[in-house]
Amino acid sequence: SSELTQDPAVSVALGQTVRITCQGDILRNYYASWYQQKPGQAPLLVMYGKNNRPSGIPDRFSGSSSGNTASLTITGAQAEDEADYYCCSRDSSDNQYVFGTGTKVTVL
Amino acid sequence: QVQLRQWGAGLLKASETLSLTCVVHGESFNDFYWNWIRQPPGKGLEWIGEIDHSGTSNYNPSLKSRVSISVDASKNQFSLRLSSVTAADTAVYYCARVMRSWLKTWFDPWGQGTQVTVSS
Repeated sequence: SSELTQDPAVSVALGQTVRITCQGDILRNYYASWYQQKPGQAPLLVMYGKNNRPSGIPDRFSGSSSGNTASLTITGAQAEDEADYYCCSRDSSDNQYVFGTGTKVTVL
Repeated sequence: QVQLRQWGAGLLKASETLSLTCVVHGESFNDFYWNWIRQPPGKGLEWIGEIDHSGTSNYNPSLKSRVSISVDASKNQFSLRLSSVTAADTAVYYCARVMRSWLKTWFDPWGQGTQVTVSS
């Protein structure tokens, strides 16, 4: 089955930059989307496509993609960015969606 | 702006059938695929399946034998049924719209989530 792999946890100092990566072969065919999830809340879309931010998402969030790896970068991390982040993409071979394993971001 | 609201039984016994429904407000129901996604306690997100207004559906292969997603387009609603549940099916279940454009797909918005607990 298809998989998307993320680092389990990363930490970043307040105001610094952190990059979250997502790896998997299905990313060669479809871009990843990225979701922020805070405790007790539903996931929130923060990035999709090559580098598309939904309305209301701060511009300190940016996305990129190369080969089998997608990245979400937070430039100037804020305390409110502390959350779990999940990537997701489509597996066109069997019409299913696959979520990444998730990364817990801690803002120090 | 589209909003999703979901409901269903939150406490089940092992071997029973899980049943949840999601209603879509404020957007053209017929233009999109509608999804179910779940999250076991302390774990990541798992895609369950999707359906469009005509009933065309796709399922996660790992759940396909137990899952059925149905639609009532006249009510802008879609429903999830998961049979023969076990403790491993304990999770928060979300409904969500998927958007597709060329090589891009994304889930937005999401329902509020429903906690489903399976007891033995």
